[in-house]
Amino acid sequence: RKEVEQDPGPFNVPEGATVAFNCTYSNSASQSFFWYRQDCRKEPKLLMSVYSSGNEDGRFTAQLNRASQYISLLIRDSKLSDSATYLCVVYSGGYQKVTFGIGTKLQVIP
Amino acid sequence: DTEVTQTPKHLVMGMTNKKSLKCEQHMGHRAMYWYKQKAKKPPELMFVYSYEKLSINESVPSRFSPECPNSSLLNLHLHALQPEDSALYLCASGADTQYFGPGTRLTVL
Repeated sequence: RKEVEQDPGPFNVPEGATVAFNCTYSNSASQSFFWYRQDCRKEPKLLMSVYSSGNEDGRFTAQLNRASQYISLLIRDSKLSDSATYLCVVYSGGYQKVTFGIGTKLQVIP
Repeated sequence: DTEVTQTPKHLVMGMTNKKSLKCEQHMGHRAMYWYKQKAKKPPELMFVYSYEKLSINESVPSRFSPECPNSSLLNLHLHALQPEDSALYLCASGADTQYFGPGTRLTVL
């Protein structure tokens, strides 16, 4: 089993739709969780950290479920500019223990 | 608006060339990283410097040689690369939260 698993997609959704991505992780000792966004041929950019209590930033909501070992990202009212690859990142302690998921590609269609 | 800068943006080199990639951050982070990213794949960790000391080398071939001259700078020296080394090379800094530079797109002919 991979350390961090994501559905690579693509997810093709119309503008205005709500879309959700999940990411599962295998190391129960994992400490910190993040969603990054990566546009084509650009660097990954931090979208948001993920906390057990859940956190929201505008149209984006992230949740962590430690019992089931997954994190989620919900995007409401999708915009064309949300089209990108969303990378799930899990930190398990120590500088070498950052693990990236393969990324989920989102395409928002007019 | 990234606070991690990388030069050059693009690099084309032959298999016998020697070149260097440069990275700079001014966020006061004590850990810096080199990643390699191929198309449609996530970044792969190559090296980690912690407090200017190499702490992680993910079995990277010796044709890649990292250097950390000070806490703000990170270099990656390249020599005798292969065409399969063509990729986006990303520098990052931070601890659990990492901030990436824009990358150097390397093509080896």
